[in-house]
Amino acid sequence: GNSVTQMEGPVTLSEEAFLTINCTYTATGYPSLFWYVQYPGEGLQLLLKATKADDKGSNKGFEATYRKETTSFHLEKGSVQVSDSAVYFCALSWTTGNQFYFGTGTSLTVIP
Amino acid sequence: KAGVTQTPRYLIKTRGQQVTLSCSPISGHRSVSWYQQTPGQGLQFLFEYFSETQRNKGNFPGRFSGRQFSNSRSEMNVSTLELGDSALYLCASSLARAAQETQYFGPGTRLLVL
Repeated sequence: GNSVTQMEGPVTLSEEAFLTINCTYTATGYPSLFWYVQYPGEGLQLLLKATKADDKGSNKGFEATYRKETTSFHLEKGSVQVSDSAVYFCALSWTTGNQFYFGTGTSLTVIP
Repeated sequence: KAGVTQTPRYLIKTRGQQVTLSCSPISGHRSVSWYQQTPGQGLQFLFEYFSETQRNKGNFPGRFSGRQFSNSRSEMNVSTLELGDSALYLCASSLARAAQETQYFGPGTRLLVL
């Protein structure tokens, strides 16, 4: 079946450090892949997405590339800020049905 | 454009009671999905409605039900509440039912069952 495996947290980084959050998926065919972010007390916000192999999604300095050969969609940011502290979720959507499969979430804390 | 709204934001109930949560999607969005978020199980899909019909259902007991109205607003109902139903319930809407469609989430309803 479809599933998403996400890097365990929590992750603590100093401001301006490089961030990588690993995400791999299991799905037949070609799912769409998403990263969502959840700030404390809020719902999920779309961070970026990619809908086909080799697509790169990017937003607010975050990037992720859809790698079919390694079934991965790792999230990266070159220089994190305190305001990036949140929980990050990797998700996939498979054909129709609008059912998202979410990873377990990775909590990121950025310290000044 | 207004985002997805959910009411109420917080709710406290006791075991055995029932509860109804409401979700108003983004204007023009016809698909509404519901998710349960708990620390132990993470985000789990409950069901999806499109054009007033349930199109997809997750692995939850029949105590969890929902419906969608002609204006795309949706409600979910949980009957005979259990302590384990305490969670953040998230509603998401999307324009269509396709894998590449983004789901836009509301702020959630936090339910506490005592």
